[in-house]
Formats: sequence, C-alpha cells, structure tokens
Amino acid sequence: QVKLQESGPGLVKPSVTLSLTCTVSNYSITSDYYWGWIRQPPGKGLEWIANIYHSGSTYYNSSLQSRVTMSVDTSKNEFSLKLKYVTAADTAVYYCARVDCSDTTCYVDLWGQGTQVTVSS
Amino acid sequence: DIQMTQSPSSVSASVGDRVTITCRASQGLRSWLAWYQQKPGKAPQVLIYSASSVQSGVPSRFSTGASETGFTLTISSLQPEDFGTYYCQQANTFPPILSFGGGTKVEIK
Repeated sequence: QVKLQESGPGLVKPSVTLSLTCTVSNYSITSDYYWGWIRQPPGKGLEWIANIYHSGSTYYNSSLQSRVTMSVDTSKNEFSLKLKYVTAADTAVYYCARVDCSDTTCYVDLWGQGTQVTVSS
Repeated sequence: DIQMTQSPSSVSASVGDRVTITCRASQGLRSWLAWYQQKPGKAPQVLIYSASSVQSGVPSRFSTGASETGFTLTISSLQPEDFGTYYCQQANTFPPILSFGGGTKVEIK
C-alpha cells in the first residue's frame, strides 16, 4: 500500500524557516507523477503550495513563490518543503500529495494524513 | 494563476435531495476539473477527475457536468454519508499549477 507521511516541527516561531519532509513508502518517487504540498489553515479551504518532479523541476504558487523551496531526494524516496519567514498566517495543516497529470488534467490521487504546523512565539 | 469560485459555500439538504455545486474559473479553462470530498479531520479524497473519470469506489450518484455558468458536481440523491466539504480543483497538465475552489460544506438536515 502506497503511503505518504509528513514530518516536521509542530510549532515554529515567527520569521524562521519551516521545513517539512514527506516520506513515500512502497512506491518509487522516480515514477511518472508529480509530488506536492497543499495546506489548509484552520477552518479554511485548501491552498496548493508547490509541485516537484523527480528530475527536480519545481512549480510554485505565485503567491508563495518568493518564500517557498521544494526539493527531492530520490535516494531516500522523499521530498521536502521549506517556507521562509513564516507568520501566523502560515499556521495550517500541511499535506503532502502525489499528483497525477494525465492528458486532460492534474489532480491529487494520494494524500498524506497531514501535519499541523502552528506559528507562534 | 487561475482563481476558482465555488458556490454555494454551504448547503443543508435532506436525504434524497439533489445537490449541485458549481465552480467558475477566472479565465477560460483548457482542462476538466477534479472534485474532492473532505470529512472533518481527514485529508480530502478525490471523487471525480477529468470529464467522466470516477475514482474507484465512488457511488454513481456523484456526477460532473459543464454549463454556461461553469462546472458542476451533482449528488443525485443525497445520502447521510455524503456530509462533508467538497472542493473543486483546476490544473492544466503543464505546467502543473493547481487551483482549488473555496469549498462547499454539505450538511444533512
């Protein structure tokens, strides 16, 4: 069974860089999928953050692009997110995801369970 | 980036009712939408992607369509287990930039 598992600090202070990692189990990250991050602030909707391909090609939400970096480590079968200069507005559940892009669209076909990140001093 | 406007933001309906959720895009779309269901405290799960591709295990009462007003997700006969929040999502195949609608909370009367 394919599984995505997020890891990282649950609490970070304002202005620091948030680092999250997603470990993919029972499936090769070098397969023909994109891998992404999506977040959900408390009581609000979903916000796509970024996608990465195993080659290292990255695609970012334009509203977050200046603060976000995604990377992939194929040897560890994991990918990561760094978000700089966090504020309280970055408090959210962060999901890692597998993104399937077919002929007609891209969609998330597999989600991690999500990890709560709170930004507070 | 394309912005997705979803309506209504919430709906309360009875078991057996027909429920329709609509998504409109800020600009013309070159791809079909995906639709997700999210239960409280859980990650979303895809229901339908592309024009007629239904995720395995999704009941046939869920269907999608397109009209002059946008793309729709219809639940033909609402069931108690259909409560939750539904999201539309748009993305062209390349570059893989995703945009989610604001969500529609479905409650059972």
